[in-house]
Amino acid sequence: GENVEQHPSTLSVQEGDSAVIKCTYSDSASNYFPWYKQELGKRPQLIIDIRSNVGEKKDQRIAVTLNKTAKHFSLHITETQPEDSAVYFCAASELSGVNKFYFGSGTKLNVKP
Amino acid sequence: NAGVTQTPKFRVLKTGQSMTLLCAQDMNHEYMYWYRQDPGMGLRLIHYSVGEGTTAKGEVPDGYNVSRLKKQNFLLGLESAAPSQTSVYFCASSYFPSGRDREQYFGPGTRLTVT
Repeated sequence: GENVEQHPSTLSVQEGDSAVIKCTYSDSASNYFPWYKQELGKRPQLIIDIRSNVGEKKDQRIAVTLNKTAKHFSLHITETQPEDSAVYFCAASELSGVNKFYFGSGTKLNVKP
Repeated sequence: NAGVTQTPKFRVLKTGQSMTLLCAQDMNHEYMYWYRQDPGMGLRLIHYSVGEGTTAKGEVPDGYNVSRLKKQNFLLGLESAAPSQTSVYFCASSYFPSGRDREQYFGPGTRLTVT
């Protein structure tokens, strides 16, 4: 089955700096990669996703890049704000399958004011 | 729309007791999932369903059973709770196959403690 590894497990940045979270996957059949944000005590919520037919996708201050050859993808947050503090999860899935997500272990991002 | 809801929000069980967690969605989604979330281990899939009357095992199915008698509901059962089942349980749903949306929508979670 698919194995998703996520690094780092914790990340602390100063407000205004950029943050980068990296994930690798093992199954070359995976072609859909969502990122979820989970605030303390809340449910995970999708913030951005990318399909394997594109290499990069942006949405305001967040972007995701995908390298299919190396089987890794990354989340980039620019101009971080205190409200970006949360746990971020990457996941991998196969679009033609039963939509099972294989999640990474999570990154706790702390943005210091 | 309420989206995905879960009942109960919190529960404390003694070892050996049984309970059922209820997940309901009003988005007419075909697929539903149960995950458990433990510190440092992300979200792990317990069981899932691709339609009414169907269920399948995920990554960590031992000690759990599920049923999906109605499209909008997905039940997770613990027949004989163990301390290792102390966790936060999340239900999720998604729509397939004709739509492009692949997002899984999560419920608010159930915090279960087994003593």
